Amino acid sequence: DAGITQSPRHKVTETGTPVTLRCHQTENHRYMYWYRQDPGHGLRLIHYSYGVKDTDKGEVSDGYSVSRSKTEDFLLTLESATSSQTSVYFCAISADMPGSGNTIYFGEGSWLTVV
Amino acid sequence: GENVEQHPSTLSVQEGDSAVIKCTYSDSASNYFPWYKQELGKGPQLIIDIRSNVGEKKDQRIAVTLNKTAKHFSLHITETQPEDSAVYFCAASGNDMRFGAGTRLTVKP
Repeated sequence: DAGITQSPRHKVTETGTPVTLRCHQTENHRYMYWYRQDPGHGLRLIHYSYGVKDTDKGEVSDGYSVSRSKTEDFLLTLESATSSQTSVYFCAISADMPGSGNTIYFGEGSWLTVV
Repeated sequence: GENVEQHPSTLSVQEGDSAVIKCTYSDSASNYFPWYKQELGKGPQLIIDIRSNVGEKKDQRIAVTLNKTAKHFSLHITETQPEDSAVYFCAASGNDMRFGAGTRLTVKP
């Protein structure tokens, strides 16, 4: 298994509160990603990073921000959680950009419930 | 951007039968096609992948075929076993990677 650790693995939070999910990798991979998984939608990219302090938006980035201060850590923040952000969040990594045929490896997921 | 469609959304087979999952993609620049297996409560795990310069790839009971002209690729699982039960995702990667919506495969003993 790729060395990816997500925390927390499960969280219940109230609407309007900030939430931060953390992803830590031990593979020294350049790219890191945050996906959300919802029934019928598969995996959708929220944000990704291609280096320390280098991040970009994915297809469902509204309401989320990210930060990457070290190669091994990628944080996802929900500034003010809403019920529509109840989902399973997956961190992923790849050695280089996916367009070059580099495999994306996933973490075990973080289950977030916003009540 | 890329759009990936996956069919069927659910598939039930008897143990020992074959299972086929199909995906289509829209971006002709896509050149890498991985397949992932996701078991309940876990993250997706890569099971096989194929690049655009290859038409078919096989790994034991799993095979993937790619038709670049028609822009579709398929996952074939032979001699299915109960432990093959899971959700399977296809993906297509060009400038970015997009995933299909998933297929829930159930293998009945």
